[in-house]
Amino acid sequence: GAVVSQHPSWVICKSGTSVKIECRSLDFQATTMFWYRQFPKQSLMLMATSNEGSKATYEQGVEKDKFLINHASLTLSTLTVTSAHPEDSSFYICSVEGDEAFFGQGTRLTVV
Amino acid sequence: DAKTTQPPSMDCAEGRAANLPCNHSTISGNEYVYWYRQIHSQGPQYIIHGLKNNETNEMASLIITEDRKSSTLILPHATLRDTAVYYCIVSSSNTGKLIFGQGTTLQVKP
Repeated sequence: GAVVSQHPSWVICKSGTSVKIECRSLDFQATTMFWYRQFPKQSLMLMATSNEGSKATYEQGVEKDKFLINHASLTLSTLTVTSAHPEDSSFYICSVEGDEAFFGQGTRLTVV
Repeated sequence: DAKTTQPPSMDCAEGRAANLPCNHSTISGNEYVYWYRQIHSQGPQYIIHGLKNNETNEMASLIITEDRKSSTLILPHATLRDTAVYYCIVSSSNTGKLIFGQGTTLQVKP
């Protein structure tokens, strides 16, 4: 199956700053990637669909201007959390679509 | 909203079979049943999927009822490393969007 790598695995940032999370498909050309968010003791929530060469599609209630997604190549999608606040602290996970979904290892964001 | 219902938690003795049920009474004809699991603080891991026939792979077996309204994931010989949250998801094959429910937390005990 596809190997998906996220970077960084964890990050701590100050409130008001922006953080970029990378999702790389190491052995699979992905025209579509997905970004999820998971709060403690909760399930994964789909945030957006990242489309190579075009705009991302956001789920209802997810602010596109706050969570900027760029999918400039078939192997890389980035999620930038802009003007991060403590309530944005969460576990962010990306996935690549195949016959089944392949997930990255996740990025734990802590905003202080 | 998730289209599946799972018990919130289950225990299983190490070495015994773990049978995890899932109800998906509103499943459509083109929707598959997928199972993923998530070990603490990691990304989900694919286990198995099926449409209407029972499926088996090196990790597990999937039993789907004839009316497709429910299914059971079977881990034949559970180990401590199988302790995780198990998610049952229904999804059509032409979209990678997965809607996760709350899953079942399986605790394998020595």
